[in-house]
Amino acid sequence: DAGVTQSPTHLIKTRGQHVTLRCSPISGHKSVSWYQQVLGQGPQFIFQYYEKEERGRGNFPDRFSARQFPNYSSELNVNALLLGDSALYLCASSSLRTGTDTQYFGPGTRLTVL
Amino acid sequence: AQKVTQAQTEISVVEKEDVTLDCVYETRDTTYYLFWYKQPPSGELVFLIRRNSFDEQNEISGRYSWNFQKSTSSFNFTITASQVVDSAVYFCALTTSGTYKYIFGTGTRLKVLA
Repeated sequence: DAGVTQSPTHLIKTRGQHVTLRCSPISGHKSVSWYQQVLGQGPQFIFQYYEKEERGRGNFPDRFSARQFPNYSSELNVNALLLGDSALYLCASSSLRTGTDTQYFGPGTRLTVL
Repeated sequence: AQKVTQAQTEISVVEKEDVTLDCVYETRDTTYYLFWYKQPPSGELVFLIRRNSFDEQNEISGRYSWNFQKSTSSFNFTITASQVVDSAVYFCALTTSGTYKYIFGTGTRLKVLA
């Protein structure tokens, strides 16, 4: 079975631009979570979606938004990019809507903001 | 507040040595779950193990073993007879019942030298 897939793999943007990152969960998983991992740090929780509804949000500004589609894939959008948004963005899927289920991560999208 | 501390930033060992990665967690919840993930240079977080707060049995999987001690709030990970392929960053994570996010430590970079 395919694991979590993310696209694109790498992305370079300039300050002020907008970016959309995409994630497809493991087949049968209905929950998708997004994390930001800055170089040298552990992943930080951004959002969790279950059945197309936002179930949790981390401490990130409103420039960050996400949505989940009927096929359970998800998009993370970041507006007005800042240099500090440069990071590895990880998507994780799980079968339950709470964090207590094991989350399986994708390969990530590495975003560089110049 | 919930917190995960991985005090060891980087560890270097010679191949075939045993190595223990430390993880100390903080939570006031009585029901919680602990995880270890491996992050190779490719960036993808690979799930290794999950433990719930009611199961203090130690676990062994091949060369990997985990020691969960509630009395010291620790969930340590030992690799026996390390190999070069074990070189990666290892993250310990915590989540609690009813929450949506994992709290990650800052990771321990393990370098296994041939």
